[in-house]
This record gives sequence, C-alpha cells and structure tokens, in this order.
Amino acid sequence: SQQGEEDPQALSIQEGENATMNCSYKTSINNLQWYRQNSGRGLVHLILIRSNEREKHSGRLRVTLDTSKKSSSLLITASRAADTASYFCATENSGYSTLTFGKGTMLLVSP
Amino acid sequence: DTGVSQNPRHKITKRGQNVTFRCDPISEHNRLYWYRQTLGQGPEFLTYFQNEAQLEKSRLLSDRFSAERPKGSFSTLEIQRTEQGDSAMYLCAEELVAGAGDTQYFGPGTRLTVL
Repeated sequence: SQQGEEDPQALSIQEGENATMNCSYKTSINNLQWYRQNSGRGLVHLILIRSNEREKHSGRLRVTLDTSKKSSSLLITASRAADTASYFCATENSGYSTLTFGKGTMLLVSP
Repeated sequence: DTGVSQNPRHKITKRGQNVTFRCDPISEHNRLYWYRQTLGQGPEFLTYFQNEAQLEKSRLLSDRFSAERPKGSFSTLEIQRTEQGDSAMYLCAEELVAGAGDTQYFGPGTRLTVL
C-alpha cells in the first residue's frame, strides 16, 4: 500500500517559474525523502528531511516538513526544462527501515 | 549515476516462464532493497537484506518470488511461473549506512514484460 499522496498529480509550468509539490502521509515517520524519476529510468535521490527538522535546502530545492499536519512540500525554484520528471515523496516510517512511496507528481517544464 | 547496477535492463518473457534479475550494489556491508513499480505508481517495497540475511518480506512477495543475497554481496530476485500481472519495473536500492534516516540509492531497474 502507498502512504504518501502527492499533490498535484501533474503540474505544467514555464521555464524560470517555481514549482511546488505537496505530500501528505498517514503515520509517524523517521524521515521523508524526495526522489526524481525521468521517464522509464531509475530514481534519483534529491533530499532527505528528518522528523525533527522543519526545512532543508539543497541548491534550487527547498523542502519543508510539518509533522503535526503530516505533510511536506518540495519547492523547485527557477525551473529548467531538464527538471521535467516525476517527483515522489517517500517516508521511512517509525520502527521500519523500508520506504513507502506516493504515486508521484508529474512535472512538465516548457522552454 | 549511483553505482548500483541491475541486469538485465529489459526482459520480455512468456507467461509461465521463470525469470531472474540481478542487482550489484556498490558495497557489500549494507542494506539492499527490492521494490516493484507499475505504470503510474510509486515503487512498492518487496523485500530487503542486511548483509546476507533477508530481514523483511512484503505481502506483495508471493511464493512465486524468491530473493537471495549470497555472502552479502550481489542479490538476485527470481520470479517463477510468471504472470502478466508481474509486468513491472523491478528496482534495487542500497542503503550505504545501516540505521534510521539513511538514504537509499536506486539502480536503473529491470523492466519486465510478461506476454
């Protein structure tokens, strides 16, 4: 079963705009991770935020975590056509080491 | 490129045949995971190993599926008597440092098509 729910399911923007994706989950977590997947390829790890952290940055990426609302957001600033991909959030749930993924947000960045 | 490799990258087989996939992680002493991903969905956990010990199996892993990790190095996932519903991308991931909160690095996956 999949715990995370990404929102929106699909997002289409122009190059240079910011893209925001949201993720909601149901149970207590150790951490939440965001991955990117280009069409038909493997997953690339983007960023990990632990349950005791509220915000994290990595380059053009900004991730927030609100454990009281069981939600996270991924912001990609100044998007590029190369950012076109599916983005998944994955939770490592408390007491487990496996990851539970959402269904993903498909991002299309047009030149 | 994470360094986790999977072979083959693509496999087409007829229903009822057995298939075996291989995953070669970067390092031997770590956790190795198998996931399955169907079209339009996120990956779903199948099983994982700590060195050579298989520590957890999902209920998705029917008795037609078996995974091994001899000597804690590479891992194989075998599906016996394949069914059309087994068509999916099979992903292997490695956790470089065992413990809570560590990153899993994924291989490129093996795409299985069962005709």
